[in-house]
Amino acid sequence: DTGVSQDPRHKITKRGQNVTFRCDPISEHNRLYWYRQTLGQGPEFLTYFQNEAQLEKSRLLSDRFSAERPKGSFSTLEIQRTEQGDSAMYLCASSSLPQAFFGQGTRLTVV
Amino acid sequence: AQKITQTQPGMFVQEKEAVTLDCTYDTSDQSYGLFWYKQPSSGEMIFLIYQGSYDEQNATEGRYSLNFQKARKSANLVISASQLGDSAMYFCAMREGSGNTGKLIFGQGTTLQVKP
Repeated sequence: DTGVSQDPRHKITKRGQNVTFRCDPISEHNRLYWYRQTLGQGPEFLTYFQNEAQLEKSRLLSDRFSAERPKGSFSTLEIQRTEQGDSAMYLCASSSLPQAFFGQGTRLTVV
Repeated sequence: AQKITQTQPGMFVQEKEAVTLDCTYDTSDQSYGLFWYKQPSSGEMIFLIYQGSYDEQNATEGRYSLNFQKARKSANLVISASQLGDSAMYFCAMREGSGNTGKLIFGQGTTLQVKP
């Protein structure tokens, strides 16, 4: 499978716990994006990597959120001290312009 | 500010008929890209079609075509010969031309239901 892969697909966590999501992009794509999608809305941009460099972060990305892309390959998105408002679908996309391809997403539920 | 507007929260279409999903956009950039994605209930965002702002011909991909009207700033998706498997949420998105980050701005989406 050469598409974008995300793990886990679903995560249920208690409020206050930390969670980490992983994204494996299409191997030849140097651009990687994280988006968040809440119920009934379109995805919203969170952050962007070109290779290993994180070049842009949305104001939506509070200081509880951190993303990394070591060696310009896979990426992780960590949420510390989760809140109920963090419940959403977290989507990863990789791109070799002009097109962008998404993974299956990680659905986070904070209880 | 750049913005995507999808004014149809929900649409119904009879199987085998064509349907048009509306999308208008707002940007001051001369260079931009427009996308349509399909999101079934499983959550995956499936790329359907892309149109560059400088492309003179409307994009087509199988049963999908993009009706690009630059002066009206519209990029409607046309699905021909609808199938039951087309039932899903559809999102229109725009890629910024400035800044070159390639990030996408999405509309609110349109839910399409195909009736047998």
